[in-house]
Amino acid sequence: QQQVKQSPQSLIVQKGGISIINCAYENTAFDYFPWYQQFPGKGPALLIAIRPDVSEKKEGRFTISFNKSAKQFSLHIMDSQPGDSATYFCAAKTSGSRLTFGEGTQLTVNP
Amino acid sequence: NAGVMQNPRHLVRRRGQEARLRCSPMKGHSHVYWYRQLPEEGLKFMVYLQKENIIDESGMPKERFSAEFPKEGPSILRIQQVVRGDSAAYFCASSRLPPGTNEKLFFGSGTQLSVL
Repeated sequence: QQQVKQSPQSLIVQKGGISIINCAYENTAFDYFPWYQQFPGKGPALLIAIRPDVSEKKEGRFTISFNKSAKQFSLHIMDSQPGDSATYFCAAKTSGSRLTFGEGTQLTVNP
Repeated sequence: NAGVMQNPRHLVRRRGQEARLRCSPMKGHSHVYWYRQLPEEGLKFMVYLQKENIIDESGMPKERFSAEFPKEGPSILRIQQVVRGDSAAYFCASSRLPPGTNEKLFFGSGTQLSVL
């Protein structure tokens, strides 16, 4: 019940396209859903986060869509750029101390 | 303001040796978290510490692993008698606020542990 399932495992998008990564969860006690971006040899960096009282949050080219009834949330990257090529992790958290991460999506944006 | 500093970046140990991983949180942060990342997997929570206190160690193996965050100095993750299965990237994160608030976690660049 603590798991967060992420798909796809890898994604290739052309420059200017839309990248979409999906996550699903079971634990209804999760109340914080961040997305992290990780470049090779670096730690994860917080990209954008949402709480379940809103259905969408947008920051620049990055948008989180949240469907509470389906227990799913997704990251949309508009106008994808080669510099967006990285591994993306969704995560979820209750009021406790641990983040539960998805398995990650390797995004490649071709020039 | 320097970020979360971890050292060493790479650590090679032979089976049976001890590994010590260090983490200096961001300035003003008193909450430290350790996560482990196996190849092709997401990060897995290990332990959450405040200064001089272990708050949540539910993700840490009961044997061979220990963590501390002393009043002075960095947080230390210690792995005794390492085995090949301990090979992984170990990430430290810190936050200014405690869990349950709008805390933002900042991650270090990790320590890659390789056990020969």
